[in-house]
Amino acid sequence: AQSVTQLDSHVSVSEGTPVLLRCNYSSSYSPSLFWYVQHPNKGLQLLLKYTSAATLVKGINGFEAEFKKSETSFHLTKPSAHMSDAAEYFCVVTKKAAGNKLTFGGGTRVLVKP
Amino acid sequence: DAGVIQSPRHEVTEMGQEVTLRCKPISGHNSLFWYRQTMMRGLELLIYFNNNVPIDDSGMPEDRFSAKMPNASFSTLKIQPSEPRDSAVYFCASGDSMNTEAFFGQGTRLTVV
Repeated sequence: AQSVTQLDSHVSVSEGTPVLLRCNYSSSYSPSLFWYVQHPNKGLQLLLKYTSAATLVKGINGFEAEFKKSETSFHLTKPSAHMSDAAEYFCVVTKKAAGNKLTFGGGTRVLVKP
Repeated sequence: DAGVIQSPRHEVTEMGQEVTLRCKPISGHNSLFWYRQTMMRGLELLIYFNNNVPIDDSGMPEDRFSAKMPNASFSTLKIQPSEPRDSAVYFCASGDSMNTEAFFGQGTRLTVV
């Protein structure tokens, strides 16, 4: 079985300061991991993905995430928050052998203060 | 590619009526997923198809819900009869066998009154 835990349901940052969204996963095999972003009243957009290549993954809009197997973590970071980063972020684990069934974390809502 | 296309974008219906949500996956994709999103329960996987065959429908809440994928380019999710607690945003997503990520449509916001 696979599961994902996002450790913060809400994160508030000031514009221009770093963003850290925490994610821990549980999987009995080598997982594929993703971060998706959902802006208000929009669909989900893929930010970045890890699929057993480089452990530091760069995504769109300046985001990156580091896969740490020893800590079963896949935290998402950005050096400098922008107002447009205000959204909900989902950490996701999947299993290719099962038709790529995605398992979502509970989401982290990011508020960016001016 | 236009991405995953869902219709309608918004649906308001009365309790007891039949509701049909539609999805056109990205051409060439062979996996299709239906998700439901609510404030209380977050994102829930309802059902997913691989090569048009339902693989796992354990997330379908009850017999009022049914999903079909008659061909590789079209899927429907039907609720009959609808109830107010079915109000949610329903997302369709598709993926291919070479990669593990899924691409989401814009969703259908369903309101049952």
